[in-house]
Amino acid sequence: NAGVTQTPKFQVLKTGQSMTLQCAQDMNHEYMSWYRQDPGMGLRLIHYSVGAGITDQGEVPNGYNVSRSTTEDFPLRLLSAAPSQTSVYFCASSNGRENSPLHFGNGTRLTVT
Amino acid sequence: GQNIDQPTEMTATEGAIVQINCTYQTSGFNGLFWYQQHAGEAPTFLSYNVLDGLEEKGRFSSFLSRSKGYSYLLLKELQMKDSASYLCAVMDSNYQLIWGAGTKLIIKP
Repeated sequence: NAGVTQTPKFQVLKTGQSMTLQCAQDMNHEYMSWYRQDPGMGLRLIHYSVGAGITDQGEVPNGYNVSRSTTEDFPLRLLSAAPSQTSVYFCASSNGRENSPLHFGNGTRLTVT
Repeated sequence: GQNIDQPTEMTATEGAIVQINCTYQTSGFNGLFWYQQHAGEAPTFLSYNVLDGLEEKGRFSSFLSRSKGYSYLLLKELQMKDSASYLCAVMDSNYQLIWGAGTKLIIKP
């Protein structure tokens, strides 16, 4: 059982470049989300989705786009990378019930120069 | 605003007991989660509390007092592999998770 699969594990971008972080889950989870994790701060929600075709903004959505065309996939697009987007990104999913824990992917370490 | 407070770092000795505290001020409350995160890895779920009291799960226990906005994670019989960050997260009235910055636990032999 693969769980939540994130690619790539590492990425270096130049300012202004765009890229897509991939996320897929095989647990038939309705809820999927993207977080960024920065030193000294809690995880911050970028975007989330409660089901295929539905997405919504989290706490820090600016500079990022998402789509949810299938239950399994939830890619995160960086439109024009900035050094402030240097971070570790985690994709996470759950079955959407309030007591259900999040299952996290292994993370993408992104550096923008 | 919403706030979760945890100590930044704690040190404990192998075989001992350590308590990691979490205090919160959130818009509503729909449960509190604890996650463990080893360096360079993803967070993994440890416990969930929604009612007051203690939940025990092997060497790990989690306590909640909703009236005080307070929780703690208790780790017994510490092992070197328990060296990790421990994240506290509260689900608010909108069912969004608010995360603390995490407590880095260092275990010494």
